[in-house]
Amino acid sequence: AQSVAQPEDQVNVAEGNPLTVKCTYSVSGNPYLFWYVQYPNRGLQFLLKYITGDNLVKGSYGFEAEFNKSQTSFHLKKPSALVSDSALYFCAVRDMRARQLTFGSGTQLTVLP
Amino acid sequence: DAGVTQSPTHLIKTRGQQVTLRCSPKSGHDTVSWYQQALGQGPQFIFQYYEEEERQRGNFPDRFSGHQFPNYSSELNVNALLLGDSALYLCASSLGAGSVNSPLHFGNGTRLTVT
Repeated sequence: AQSVAQPEDQVNVAEGNPLTVKCTYSVSGNPYLFWYVQYPNRGLQFLLKYITGDNLVKGSYGFEAEFNKSQTSFHLKKPSALVSDSALYFCAVRDMRARQLTFGSGTQLTVLP
Repeated sequence: DAGVTQSPTHLIKTRGQQVTLRCSPKSGHDTVSWYQQALGQGPQFIFQYYEEEERQRGNFPDRFSGHQFPNYSSELNVNALLLGDSALYLCASSLGAGSVNSPLHFGNGTRLTVT
């Protein structure tokens, strides 16, 4: 079975400061990892994915994520937060055999002006 | 280039009724997945359709059924509605069932309220 944990329900950061949203996963074999963002009353938007290769993955809107196999983590990061980054962020995982993504419970990011 | 479109946007039903939700995938996509997102939770996988067949199913009862049409659009049907079925239902499309190189593209969802 595959699972994702997002240990923080809420993350607050000041505009211009770096941000990190944490994610750990459990999966059989090699993981495929994803980050999505959800704005109020909207669907999820794809930010980035890790399939294989470099542990640091760059995605949309200046976001990046670091894959750490030993810690089974895939934390989302951004060097300088914007107020417009305030949204709900979901980490997701699947293994090589599954067709579906398993999502975490989400982390509400608030960037304070 | 139209993205994933879902209809209706909102729906209110009574317990025991049946509901049909509709989804048109992003242009060029052939695979449709349905997810249920309860308030304050992450999306939960219901099932995936590819080549007009259900390819994989999550932990949902048989009251949840679906269909995919030759033009790749899809419907989600829920029978005998329960209060606990109240949620945001998300449709996601991709190219090639099982391919990780085609990320899911989500629609804005249908908000279903069961009273």
